[in-house]
Amino acid sequence: DGGITQSPKYLFRKEGQNVTLSCEQNLNHDAMYWYRQDPGQGLRLIYYSQIVNDFQKGDIAEGYSVSREKKESFPLTVTSAQKNPTAFYLCASRSQGGNLHFGNGTRLTVT
Amino acid sequence: AQSVTQPDIHITVSEGASLELRCNYSYGATPYLFWYVQSPGQGLQLLLKYFSGDTLVQGIKGFEAEFKRSQSSFNLRKPSVHWSDAAEYFCAVGTNFGNEKLTFGTGTRLTIIP
Repeated sequence: DGGITQSPKYLFRKEGQNVTLSCEQNLNHDAMYWYRQDPGQGLRLIYYSQIVNDFQKGDIAEGYSVSREKKESFPLTVTSAQKNPTAFYLCASRSQGGNLHFGNGTRLTVT
Repeated sequence: AQSVTQPDIHITVSEGASLELRCNYSYGATPYLFWYVQSPGQGLQLLLKYFSGDTLVQGIKGFEAEFKRSQSSFNLRKPSVHWSDAAEYFCAVGTNFGNEKLTFGTGTRLTIIP
């Protein structure tokens, strides 16, 4: 079945460590996105990529980095510069119809 | 910049009752509007979308939404809810078909009581 795969589902890290969240899609979509979800704040856009080897900052990009070396993959690195990294992270891709297809998320806890 | 307001943080309805979730948007031109549903610990699933044409759109799971330009609203409705509808619902707005940035509301959590 086609879809978005995020791994791992749960991730624990110590403060000061960088951590990379995986996002893979087999939907052949060009555009991919990373959102952060916090209780009561909805989804906030971190980074997005419209095509391979190109990406743009979203509304809350500070402390995060991404790469887009392959169409299928859009990993997100949460760096030690991100002040409040504990959150639920959602990856998505956009279909030709304009709607987003989401993965099941990664819950990151930093202590 | 576009924005979305979902004024109801939490709604409780009885099983079998009707449902309306409110969504108001802010954008100067014709928006592209979406409703998504999220079960706990999961990703979001598209319920329905409005791009143009008929202002009443039908979605999956018996949901519908109506675009009202004069009120800048896109409320989600269902005539009779089921216990399985308990989830969080997000309204989102995009500004044009080529704009990749969807802006989401803060969500409405729906609880169903027997």
